[in-house]
Amino acid sequence: QSVLTQAPSASGTPGQRVTISCSRSSSNIGSYSVTWYRQVPGTAPKLLIYNSNQRPSGVPDRFSASKSGTSASLAISGLQSEDEADYFCAIWDDSLNDWVFGGGTKLTVL
Amino acid sequence: QVQLVQSGSELKEPGASVKVSCKTSGYTFRGFALNWLRQAPGQGLEWMGWINPNTGNPTYAQGFTGRFVLSLDTSVSTAYLQISSLKAEDTAVYYCTRDGYTSCSSTSCFDHWGQGTLITVSS
Repeated sequence: QSVLTQAPSASGTPGQRVTISCSRSSSNIGSYSVTWYRQVPGTAPKLLIYNSNQRPSGVPDRFSASKSGTSASLAISGLQSEDEADYFCAIWDDSLNDWVFGGGTKLTVL
Repeated sequence: QVQLVQSGSELKEPGASVKVSCKTSGYTFRGFALNWLRQAPGQGLEWMGWINPNTGNPTYAQGFTGRFVLSLDTSVSTAYLQISSLKAEDTAVYYCTRDGYTSCSSTSCFDHWGQGTLITVSS
């Protein structure tokens, strides 16, 4: 199964801007609609970004996303302690008829 | 508000069956597809499949055919996941999610999630 590659961990200090990447070696991720989810351990994931760069209502504009070539990125600015969570990217792959997920990036706020 | 409420954790022996429910409320049940995902301990998310709320027709992801059955009862706005012949490797948290297609600019997204149901398979 094709997968999306994410770094297992990332960290930053309060107020910093951090970026989490999501790449797919087998194809151009730019042709897919990328979704991002945030999961606090022990709880269900929550939708953070849809359609590659759009935020659902209620998601602060500190969260932004983009994509280019074989990678997509989630940026969190003004890092806060409550941003500590696991972040997953995902795409629907029409050719596979399958959702493809990244392995997740654990964000630590130092 | 939109809610997906799943049934509680279960401990099952290998070879047994389990049925997880996902009761929805706060939206038109037939308006949104329901998906099921699995998350093994310490692992990422796997998509298991989805069910069409209008036809009841399920679609299964590779690796989730045979022992896995998706169904629904529209009269109570509830979706179900049944797993038979349970194996130790089925131990995981199972999530139902709504595909918020119309809420996500006509792209698929999992916009609402159940709280998850832990299925533990152990003798």
